[in-house]
Amino acid sequence: DTEVTQTPKHLVMGMTNKKSLKCEQHMGHRAMYWYKQKAKKPPELMFVYSYEKLSINESVPSRFSPECPNSSLLNLHLHALQPEDSALYLCASSQGTDQPQHFGDGTRLSIL
Amino acid sequence: KQEVTQIPAALSVPEGENLVLNCSFTDSAIYNLQWFRQDPGKGLTSLLLIQSSQREQTSGRLNASLDKSSGRSTLYIAASQPGDSATYLCAAHSLSSGSARQLTFGSGTQLTVLP
Repeated sequence: DTEVTQTPKHLVMGMTNKKSLKCEQHMGHRAMYWYKQKAKKPPELMFVYSYEKLSINESVPSRFSPECPNSSLLNLHLHALQPEDSALYLCASSQGTDQPQHFGDGTRLSIL
Repeated sequence: KQEVTQIPAALSVPEGENLVLNCSFTDSAIYNLQWFRQDPGKGLTSLLLIQSSQREQTSGRLNASLDKSSGRSTLYIAASQPGDSATYLCAAHSLSSGSARQLTFGSGTQLTVLP
């Protein structure tokens, strides 16, 4: 069991659908992250939120839209995705951006 | 820009053997270095974190070392067990472009421990 909870675990969607990925932590961490991981590749950073403010956006296409409604919750809104966006999406959190990151189990996303 | 390399990409050993996984990074100005384990289809589990001022960290059968000057870290696993089979990732925590700090991951070493 991890202390960072991601839902759903699996998601299959068409290219015209709109869906959201959710990440939650109750460790009091003030930094939260989204990573994308393709098969047999390392995780790639997408977004970093620090104190609920977006601090890093690694040139991610606008079809991915992050949201941090409060310090415990991080969402990733998806719209008009492409087949190449199929991947494992990992959420992580840390006390601060210089502290160890704790990862969730990820959402396996498949785009038809 | 930080780059992290892990060698070997895959390793297969018989149960009970001691083994070493290697990680190298190009920018020695790191805050810390973290070793993770990833099981197939799962998230990352943090194993050890070494601060830039430290030389090594130990947890059970795992020992991680850090040599900032040479840009290298090693993960030593003693008395390997089949349950150790997983992909091991190292990640260097450093400044990205601009003033933001981020983790840069290596591509991982896929370890198989044969019973």
